Amino acid sequence: DTEVTQTPKHLVMGMTNKKSLKCEQHMGHRAMYWYKQKAKKPPELMFVYSYEKLSINESVPSRFSPECPNSSLLNLHLHALQPEDSALYLCASSQISGGTGEQFFGPGTRLTVL
Amino acid sequence: KNQVEQSPQSLIILEGKNCTLQCNYTVSPFSNLRWYKQDTGRGPVSLTIMTFSENTKSNGRYTATLDADTKQSSLHITASQLSDSASYICVVFSLTTGGFKTIFGAGTRLFVKA
Repeated sequence: DTEVTQTPKHLVMGMTNKKSLKCEQHMGHRAMYWYKQKAKKPPELMFVYSYEKLSINESVPSRFSPECPNSSLLNLHLHALQPEDSALYLCASSQISGGTGEQFFGPGTRLTVL
Repeated sequence: KNQVEQSPQSLIILEGKNCTLQCNYTVSPFSNLRWYKQDTGRGPVSLTIMTFSENTKSNGRYTATLDADTKQSSLHITASQLSDSASYICVVFSLTTGGFKTIFGAGTRLFVKA
């Protein structure tokens, strides 16, 4: 299985809602990433997990809360988001953090905050 | 400053024609360079990876070149197809003893018309 899956594909939420994005991979990768991508812009790194531990947090607001329950799963908990948080959220994985830099991306979750 | 610049921003070509996308980088140290294809609303998919010693690498109708001296790369698409319409992102990976950086270019949006 060489796929990174993300659910849901689309999510619409109000500013007072709490929701979660999910990401899963079964390639045995030990590093997982969350990116945020606005339209016509490159992905921006948010978080990196290495061996289920948070290793990089790119100064992301606390309304985004990552969680790595095990080596195959990565969640992003959302609470009290703002309309400007609307974007495509991409999950990626790699064999190890850093390594050769090869990351496998999921299809993304299109998030709209009303 | 570590930067990856791509040109053109967007490109329209007729089906069956060839095109070349450019990537200039000022990343140091350089570890490798990847070209990704990203369909609208989807995650990026790796096309090629180039290391310092490689000049040319092909993947079907995609051929990437790298000139490490001038810090330039190009992606040539031969006999374009409608399905080639996508964003093409140049990504430079930099690995140091202190960590790593993955620097994304802003992408070139390619439109292939019938």
